[in-house]
This record gives sequence, C-alpha cells and structure tokens, in this order.
Amino acid sequence: GQQLNQSPQSMFIQEGEDVSMNCTSSSIFNTWLWYKQDPGEGPVLLIALYKAGELTSNGRLTAQFGITRKDSFLNISASIPSDVGIYFCAGSYNTDKLIFGTGTRLQVFP
Amino acid sequence: DTGVSQDPRHKITKRGQNVTFRCDPISEHNRLYWYRQTLGQGPEFLTYFQNEAQLEKSRLLSNRFSAERPKGSFSTLEIQRTEQGDSAMYLCASSFGVEKLFFGSGTQLSVL
Repeated sequence: GQQLNQSPQSMFIQEGEDVSMNCTSSSIFNTWLWYKQDPGEGPVLLIALYKAGELTSNGRLTAQFGITRKDSFLNISASIPSDVGIYFCAGSYNTDKLIFGTGTRLQVFP
Repeated sequence: DTGVSQDPRHKITKRGQNVTFRCDPISEHNRLYWYRQTLGQGPEFLTYFQNEAQLEKSRLLSNRFSAERPKGSFSTLEIQRTEQGDSAMYLCASSFGVEKLFFGSGTQLSVL
C-alpha cells in the first residue's frame, strides 16, 4: 500500500539535544498527524494539523503543516530518554483513512 | 480504561488455521478501522466501518479476510487459512469523524 516518505530513517542523539524529522508526500493532504509508537504497542497520537502553514506545539514537541501541503515537520526540543521510539507521520485528503509514513526511529543516549 | 481494547495481544497459529481478533473501540466513536503493520513499516489500511457499515476495503484485504462490526459496537477480524505472510501486528483504531484515530495495543500474529 501507499506510504509517505519520512527522513531520517533513524536518529541516534544525546539526551538534551533537539531533534528534527520530516515527512513528504507526492500528493497534497489537508490533514497531517504525528504519532509515536513504542515496541509492541499501538501508535499514540501526538499532534494534529489541519491547515497549511499551521504550527502546533504539544509540550516539547512542535509540528508544522508545510505550505505546499505535501510535507510536514516534527521537532522535539531537549530530548529525554522517554522520547525513544518510532515516530510516524500520517496524512489524509478528503478520504476516510489515514496513510502512514515509513517511520523515524529515535534513540536517545544519556 | 476507556481506550481502544484489542484481544488477544498475541496469537501463534499454524499455517492453514483460522484466527479471529476482537476490537472494542472507544464507546462514543462511530468509526472503527483495521490496519496491518509489518516489521519496520508504518501501519497499512485494511478496512473501516462507520457504525455497522463497512465502507471501504483495501486491496490488501484478500478474500481470506473478513471483518464485521455487528450493531456498530465491537468488531472482529477473521483470517481464514492463514499463511506465513499474514504474520504481522493487526491494529484497530477508532475515531469520531475522519481525523484523530486512536489506536489499540494491537494483536501480534505469528503464523508458523
């Protein structure tokens, strides 16, 4: 099935560093969501974006809906060990389902 | 716990056997989704219900797969004559409207 492209595929950072990741699509979306998934668990919703150019924060997380409507970005500031996991973007365009990205695996070292 | 509940969490079966998974959505949500996730990939859409009506099925859902949502409450996903390629995490999600899907913990299926 169709999946969105996320980069980087994986990141290894030190605790306290900031993190940036992005997600791109070949088609435009009108909704972007970011999820985090821990091993053996389902994805947990972090942030939802509904408008091109929108910038939304949730604690140390900030996400942006790209102006072209074909991309989205997620930043994590001052990373901590519990940020470890896989981050997925997901988008939809006037459809009844979300299409997910390939994921960015984040590892945080103390 | 008022989240999405899935049962069982793990299922090991032999090739050729039938398996059935259950999902209990968040009670006020009218939409229920099934996704499949293989190792190293993001979730892939299988099918979804609005109330009791099954409105869309992915081409990933072969004729060995069937999903039901009687009375618009819980849902079951059955796989007949399982194959090794069916091994995956099966995720259920619910929502009120199309955005903000909330996922359960998934059922990990291993077909030997």
